[in-house]
Amino acid sequence: DTAVSQTPKYLVTQMGNDKSIKCEQNLGHDTMYWYKQDSKKFLKIMFSYNNKELIINETVPNRFSPKSPDKAHLNLHINSLELGDSAVYFCASSLGARTPLHFGNGTRLTVT
Amino acid sequence: GESVGLHLPTLSVQEGDNSIINCAYSNSASDYFIWYKQESGKGPQFIIDIRSNMDKRQGQRVTVLLNKTVKHLSLQIAATQPGDSAVYFCAESGGGSGTSYGKLTFGQGTILTVHP
Repeated sequence: DTAVSQTPKYLVTQMGNDKSIKCEQNLGHDTMYWYKQDSKKFLKIMFSYNNKELIINETVPNRFSPKSPDKAHLNLHINSLELGDSAVYFCASSLGARTPLHFGNGTRLTVT
Repeated sequence: GESVGLHLPTLSVQEGDNSIINCAYSNSASDYFIWYKQESGKGPQFIIDIRSNMDKRQGQRVTVLLNKTVKHLSLQIAATQPGDSAVYFCAESGGGSGTSYGKLTFGQGTILTVHP
């Protein structure tokens, strides 16, 4: 059983399009996250939700909008995609503060 | 500002050697530290964590050392195997409430290559 699963694994799209990435966790965790990993492997937090409530919103353009329909799901919608959005996006979940994050296997987004 | 950094971007070792990966952090309020392993095409995988009230913690073939005086963290891997080849990240958390709740700040990453 995959603990944190995200779809799709690969996403290739053109500039200006709108796309979504879905994430689901079956660990019973209360907190979920989106991280972005750039071409230099640097991982940076974008958002976190705790029990469906937005907790962390780092300096991310308004074109990125997370949605948490329930605490097992955290989706990421991106409007008006730009070349600079190309990266690997990771979903993660945790029990809460000071506990390990469990990551999905990532969605590689390529904007052409 | 807050930052977590690694001294060495790459580390090459022979199979069977012990590996040491280092990490420096600057946020003195950090109280939770964690190491991840990331293999190609996969997400970061939890290895071991440590809280600031400890200075050493051991797992299976791995040991994490924390030196709060100099804000330094290290991961030691005993009897390194080819399957240990991956990118290793340290991460820290400096708060458990408000807008920092659960947030992990990651370091740059070290590429570990194990030669048979």
